[in-house]
Amino acid sequence: AQTVTQSQPEMSVQEAETVTLSCTYDTSESNYYLFWYKQPPSRQMILVIRQEAYKQQNATENRFSVNFQKAAKSFSLKISDSQLGDTAMYFCAFMAMNRDDKIIFGKGTRLHILP
Amino acid sequence: DAGITQSPRHKVTETGTPVTLRCHQTENHRYMYWYRQDPGHGLRLIHYSYGVKDTDKGEVSDGYSVSRSKTEDFLLTLESATSSQTSVYFCAIRTSGRWEQFFGPGTRLTVL
Repeated sequence: AQTVTQSQPEMSVQEAETVTLSCTYDTSESNYYLFWYKQPPSRQMILVIRQEAYKQQNATENRFSVNFQKAAKSFSLKISDSQLGDTAMYFCAFMAMNRDDKIIFGKGTRLHILP
Repeated sequence: DAGITQSPRHKVTETGTPVTLRCHQTENHRYMYWYRQDPGHGLRLIHYSYGVKDTDKGEVSDGYSVSRSKTEDFLLTLESATSSQTSVYFCAIRTSGRWEQFFGPGTRLTVL
């Protein structure tokens, strides 16, 4: 069974700083997707970024980028030039590309951006 | 916005009563999912559907049933609500050929 672990329950950083959120996962699958979702106080779940396991290049979306280390089963999220609007809960998620298309979520990291 | 609505958005009910939550989508997505979110657990899959009348169980399906009689609606039913089912419930969709899921706004359910 797949598992997703986020080892940082809560983090705080100053506005404009760079912050990295950690995520590790365990799987025996070779083809899979990894995601980071953001949940602001509004409760809406928002897809931030996704990474296909077969791609070596790390995904980037504006100020958000990932460091995908497949051998180490690590998938960290870097937020550059952090903004107050980045304050949210962040969930790492895993999905195997097989008929069982279930997403497994980590327990989340609560990120506070301080003014 | 993937055209997903959930109703009701908030509900308070009593133990032992039946409850039905509705997820409605307007873009003809094939795959639909129900999750619950609880502190310390992240999101956990309850049931999902891969087409009309095609459903399967997720990680925490006990006490829940689902139905999908038409593409746009996916219903989650608690036959006899218990306090342990107090949670925030999210519906999600996935489009064929893509792997990411998009979520509805959530329903906060309180069972007294």
